[in-house]
Amino acid sequence: GNSVTQMEGPVTLSEEAFLTINCTYTATGYPSLFWYVQYPGEGLQLLLKATKADDKGSNKGFEATYRKETTSFHLEKGSVQVSDSAVYFCALKSGGYQKVTFGTGTKLQVIP
Amino acid sequence: DVKVTQSSRYLVKRTGEKVFLECVQDMDHENMFWYRQDPGLGLRLIYFSYDVKMKEKGDIPEGYSVSREKKERFSLILESASTNQTSMYLCASSFRDRAMGEQYFGPGTRLTVT
Repeated sequence: GNSVTQMEGPVTLSEEAFLTINCTYTATGYPSLFWYVQYPGEGLQLLLKATKADDKGSNKGFEATYRKETTSFHLEKGSVQVSDSAVYFCALKSGGYQKVTFGTGTKLQVIP
Repeated sequence: DVKVTQSSRYLVKRTGEKVFLECVQDMDHENMFWYRQDPGLGLRLIYFSYDVKMKEKGDIPEGYSVSREKKERFSLILESASTNQTSMYLCASSFRDRAMGEQYFGPGTRLTVT
């Protein structure tokens, strides 16, 4: 079956530091890949997405590249801000299957 | 903007009570989902529905039931609440038959069962 593994948190960074959150997946076929973000007290919202190998999703300074050869979709940002403090979820959707498989989430705390 | 609303942000119920959590979406999405979110476990799918009156069990359906009488509304029912159902409950919706299939989430209901 499908599964998503992401690095455990919490991750604590100083403002303007470089961020990487690792995500690897197992899936049948060619899944679509997503990063969702959950700010304190809110539901999840889509951050970025990619549908095929070598696609790069980007939004709000965050990027992730769909790497089929390593089955990875690592999230990166060059310079984090305090407002980026949140929980980040990697997820996949496989083909016509309607369900989305989520990772366990990585909490990011950015300190001034 | 897609909007998914949930009936309550916080709810406190007693053990054995019947609990209703309501979710409404305004984007004509075919699919609707109920998840629970617990620390260290991420999101776990309870039930989902791909059409009115249709439902499928997710990964942890025990102790829950659902109802979808109208396309925009999806209800989660705890028949007899127990303390191990204390959790954050998230509703989501999405289009069917779209390759991307991204989901749109409500703000969540934090349920405490005492």
